[in-house]
Amino acid sequence: QQPVQSPQAVILREGEDAVINCSSSKALYSVHWYRQKHGEAPVFLMILLKGGEQKGHEKISASFNEKKQQSSLYLTASQLSYSGTYFCGFGRSNTGKLIFGQGTTLQVKP
Amino acid sequence: GAGVSQSPRYKVAKRGQDVALRCDPISGHVSLFWYQQALGQGPEFLTYFQNEAQLDKSGLPSDRFFAERPEGSVSTLKIQRTQQEDSAVYLCASSLVAGGGEQYFGPGTRLTVT
Repeated sequence: QQPVQSPQAVILREGEDAVINCSSSKALYSVHWYRQKHGEAPVFLMILLKGGEQKGHEKISASFNEKKQQSSLYLTASQLSYSGTYFCGFGRSNTGKLIFGQGTTLQVKP
Repeated sequence: GAGVSQSPRYKVAKRGQDVALRCDPISGHVSLFWYQQALGQGPEFLTYFQNEAQLDKSGLPSDRFFAERPEGSVSTLKIQRTQQEDSAVYLCASSLVAGGGEQYFGPGTRLTVT
């Protein structure tokens, strides 16, 4: 039932790109992406609703393939501030209840 | 004070004690969520309020857990007779709309049961 994220961890050099994938075995209504730094609250990045849309936020964008029940987060030209743990959260109805993946730890080095 | 606030930030309880965790959502936010986050894991859904109505409590792990939001603003998560497995960070999130919108998280309360 929990979304499966991959990879579990990734190390980048500043300026490199990364892709984080998230998949579900059940039909989805929405996908939420969050970044959490150690000891801090998860910070909202973006939300995608079913319909196969793609969204962007500065150098971070995401896609949602409703048919495949998958979402991907794209980080381009990574910055040191991108370091943290990224979580996808899947919503299966419009109640707002989210089921989160286990997280992907991203470390960006100078 | 634009964000979600939670208190206390840290709580140490002896096994068997009752604890109460408070959440102050962003003003005007209709939806309020409680999540439990174990070390190294993603947040796990506990319960959801739309205004003062508790619409989903399917994630509460046992009847020792109780949440309320009596006036549709501040919420309290109460854990009775705490057990060691209750040790975790308890996160509160609020959302402007009724279900489905982006959720804004508070800093969490780290509960340690000894």
